[in-house]
Amino acid sequence: QAVLTQPSSLSASPGASASLTCTLRSGINVGTYRIYWYQQKPGSPPQYLLRYKSDSDKQQGSGVPSRFSGSKDASANAGILLISGLQSEDEADYYCMIWHSNAVVFGGGTKLTVL
Amino acid sequence: EVQLVESGGGLVQPGGSLRLSCAASGFTFSTYWMHWVRQSPDKGLVWVSRINSDGSSTGYADSVKGRFTISRDNAKNTLYLQMNSLRAEDTAVYYCTRETAAVFDPWGQGTLVTVSS
Repeated sequence: QAVLTQPSSLSASPGASASLTCTLRSGINVGTYRIYWYQQKPGSPPQYLLRYKSDSDKQQGSGVPSRFSGSKDASANAGILLISGLQSEDEADYYCMIWHSNAVVFGGGTKLTVL
Repeated sequence: EVQLVESGGGLVQPGGSLRLSCAASGFTFSTYWMHWVRQSPDKGLVWVSRINSDGSSTGYADSVKGRFTISRDNAKNTLYLQMNSLRAEDTAVYYCTRETAAVFDPWGQGTLVTVSS
């Protein structure tokens, strides 16, 4: 079982909200981790969006709009990237990341389609 | 402007070697930890290796441990990845990225490594 699991794809309409999940493997408690989120558009390297551990421990990337935000669902053992007011330019791949056991682990990524 | 530029990618046969470079500019390179992350064609991101600011400490993903070596030359503002015993599954775009407080930002544009006979 992968350390971080993300749905492979998600579709949403312009102006709507999209909730991208990043589920941690059983036995790895989401509450103890900072979840980092990156956006990657075709032909470009990833770009840092934000990190979230709690409402008192979070950081927005430089220049990242406030309609990108992080949260957690402890019952699902998952980190969440919420994108509100979807725009066509938000169509991209989104990756979650954690630091785990002295290494870095990425989720498999979610391809967000805005249509 | 902070910039990272990778080079050294190319086509190599299985079992061969390649050395990647990442030239840094626009910041004090010697004070930052640096990482290599790779991305196979149409696949996700995979962390490869990291090195601390003075080069005295390194770390590797299990998949490359014993085959890849990360290093840096702070006088030349350059990060390296020596890749030996290359396998088909090492085929990927290799990105270098700067770490600041556990955040990877920025990333270079990447260099493509293709391992094939």
